[in-house]
Amino acid sequence: GQQLNQSPQSMFIQEGEDVSMNCTSSSIFNTWLWYKQDPGEGPVLLIALYKAGELTSNGRLTAQFGITRKDSFLNISASIPSDVGIYFCAGRDQAGTALIFGKGTTLSVSS
Amino acid sequence: EAGVTQFPSHSVIEKGQTVTLRCDPISGHDNLYWYRRVMGKEIKFLLHFVKESKQDESGMPNNRFLAERTGGTYSTLKVQPAELEDSGVYFCASSQTLGQGDAYEQYFGPGTRLTVT
Repeated sequence: GQQLNQSPQSMFIQEGEDVSMNCTSSSIFNTWLWYKQDPGEGPVLLIALYKAGELTSNGRLTAQFGITRKDSFLNISASIPSDVGIYFCAGRDQAGTALIFGKGTTLSVSS
Repeated sequence: EAGVTQFPSHSVIEKGQTVTLRCDPISGHDNLYWYRRVMGKEIKFLLHFVKESKQDESGMPNNRFLAERTGGTYSTLKVQPAELEDSGVYFCASSQTLGQGDAYEQYFGPGTRLTVT
C-alpha cells in the first residue's frame, strides 16, 4: 500500500529556532495535510494544501505542496514551548477518502 | 459547536475479552472514519462510513473487528476477542459532505487508548 516517509523522526531544539520537517511519497497525492497532536489529544489540522506548488502559511507555520505531488514540507519559525508535540503529514488521493499518514515528527523545545 | 467525542478514553482488558469503543461525530457530518495508531507507528485507516453505510472497510485488520453506525449518527467499534496486537490508540474522525477547504477536512476525536494484556 501507499506509504509516506516523514523525517526527521524527532527534533530537539532551542526556543526561537526555526524547524523544518518533510514527507515524501512514492505515489502522487492530490491533497497534503499537516496535523499536530498534543499529549492525550487527537490530531488537529494545521494546514491543508490542494494544488501542486501551493505555499500556505498559518501564523508561524508555512507548508508547501511539492511540484511533483509526491512531497510536502512544514516549517515552523521562531519556535516556542507550546510548539511541542507530534506533527503528522497526511496525503489523500480524492476528497472524502481515507488519509494516509506519515509516522510523525516529535518536536521538543527547550526554553 | 462540540467536536468529535470518543468513549472511553482508556480501556485495559485481558486477551480474549470484548471491548466496544464509541465515537460521536460532529453534528451534521455524514462522513465518519476510524483510524488506529500502534505505538511508534503511523496512524492507519480502518474504515469509512457515509451516513450509516460502510463506504470503505479496506483497513479493517480481520473479522474480530466490527464497526457499526446505526442511524447514521454515532458509531461503535467492537473488538471480539481482543488480542495483544490490538493494543493502540483508536481515533475517530468526521467530515462534512465533499468540498474543498479546511471546513471539509477530517476532524479527529481525542482517541481511545486500548491496552490488551
